[in-house]
Amino acid sequence: DQQVKQNSPSLSVQEGRISILNCDYTNSMFDYFLWYKKYPAEGPTFLISISSIKDKNEDGRFTVFLNKSAKHLSLHIVPSQPGDSAVYFCAALMNSGGSNYKLTFGKGTLLTVNP
Amino acid sequence: NAGVTQTPKFQVLKTGQSMTLQCAQDMNHNSMYWYRQDPGMGLRLIYYSASEGTTDKGEVPNGYNVSRLNKREFSLRLESAAPSQTSVYFCASSTRSQGPSNYGYTFGSGTRLTVV
Repeated sequence: DQQVKQNSPSLSVQEGRISILNCDYTNSMFDYFLWYKKYPAEGPTFLISISSIKDKNEDGRFTVFLNKSAKHLSLHIVPSQPGDSAVYFCAALMNSGGSNYKLTFGKGTLLTVNP
Repeated sequence: NAGVTQTPKFQVLKTGQSMTLQCAQDMNHNSMYWYRQDPGMGLRLIYYSASEGTTDKGEVPNGYNVSRLNKREFSLRLESAAPSQTSVYFCASSTRSQGPSNYGYTFGSGTRLTVV
């Protein structure tokens, strides 16, 4: 049973417009949510995170929104740039005992920003 | 400032062969992880090590073993490779010691493994 779901395998937007990537989760015990960006032939890199007690976190062009009641989060990129073209993974963090935390990833969404 | 280093970057194995994927981090992180990435499946946790001297199974541990050699190094071993283990393998490390903004993992660049 997948606990973190990214239902859109791909998204295509025009340069300068807004990109909205969505993510749903099922486990209310997650205490942090993170977005990772991955280019081909590279490892994922951390982009932005949000605590489960917050509803918004902003960092430059990137904003993550969290709706706990709906168990839904979204990543907004404004304005989108061609260099943002990558696979975006949503991930959820939970304490699995003591000081051990584990990330659970969604399947990813391929974002293509067209010039 | 290497971060997480994985070797090798590419490998082709024959079914039944064994090999060890190496991972080392220089950030003094306590926790280390092995993930595999398959098309349409996202990143799935194979094994993790919360701290030096401990290892635990993740979501897809069958066919793999791990060793946390010291705080820096965490290796993944395939004893008898199978075509189903063809994948891209990522090692990651993490620490919580610096607060919530650093809960994220640092990933290596991956090992692309093909089993024929």
